[in-house]
Amino acid sequence: AQSVTQLGSHVSVSEGALVLLRCNYSSSVPPYLFWYVQYPNQGLQLLLKYTSAATLVKGINGFEAEFKKSETSFHLTKPSAHMSDAAEYFCAVRRNNFNKFYFGSGTKLNVKP
Amino acid sequence: KAGVTQTPRYLIKTRGQQVTLSCSPISGHRSVSWYQQTPGQGLQFLFEYFSETQRNKGNFPGRFSGRQFSNSRSEMNVSTLELGDSALYLCASNRDTNTEAFFGQGTRLTVV
Repeated sequence: AQSVTQLGSHVSVSEGALVLLRCNYSSSVPPYLFWYVQYPNQGLQLLLKYTSAATLVKGINGFEAEFKKSETSFHLTKPSAHMSDAAEYFCAVRRNNFNKFYFGSGTKLNVKP
Repeated sequence: KAGVTQTPRYLIKTRGQQVTLSCSPISGHRSVSWYQQTPGQGLQFLFEYFSETQRNKGNFPGRFSGRQFSNSRSEMNVSTLELGDSALYLCASNRDTNTEAFFGQGTRLTVV
């Protein structure tokens, strides 16, 4: 079965601080893992994806994520938060040869000035 | 290059009515998937259409249905609306299997 768990429904950081959003996956086969961002009343925008090419994945807007098989984790990080990063972030998993995503419950990131 | 277009953006319907939502994928994309997003259940997969055929289906009642046309545009229909159907409905477009998914801005359905 495919699933992802996001720890922390709300995360608050100060502008300039490290952002760390946690995601753990459960998969019986090597997964394809994704992070998406959603701004209010908008659709989902792809931040980055892991497809087994490299364990450290760099995405847009300075975000990156590291795939750790031993910990079944795919945490999202950004060294320095910006006010414009305030949004909801979703971790997702997809099986090979399927276009169906299983999404985590989401983490709302608040950035304080 | 135009993105995924969903119409309408907002919709208010009464319980018991039916509704049809539309999704125009990116040109050349053959797969369209639909998701329901609610505060309580999060993002849940409804179904996927690929070259006019339903290829995957989520765990939703038969009141939720869809179709895909030869130009890859897709519609989803919800009959006998319930208050719990109030949600943001998102459409995702893929060029093919295992390719990047692009999401539309969604249709916000409110059932009163």
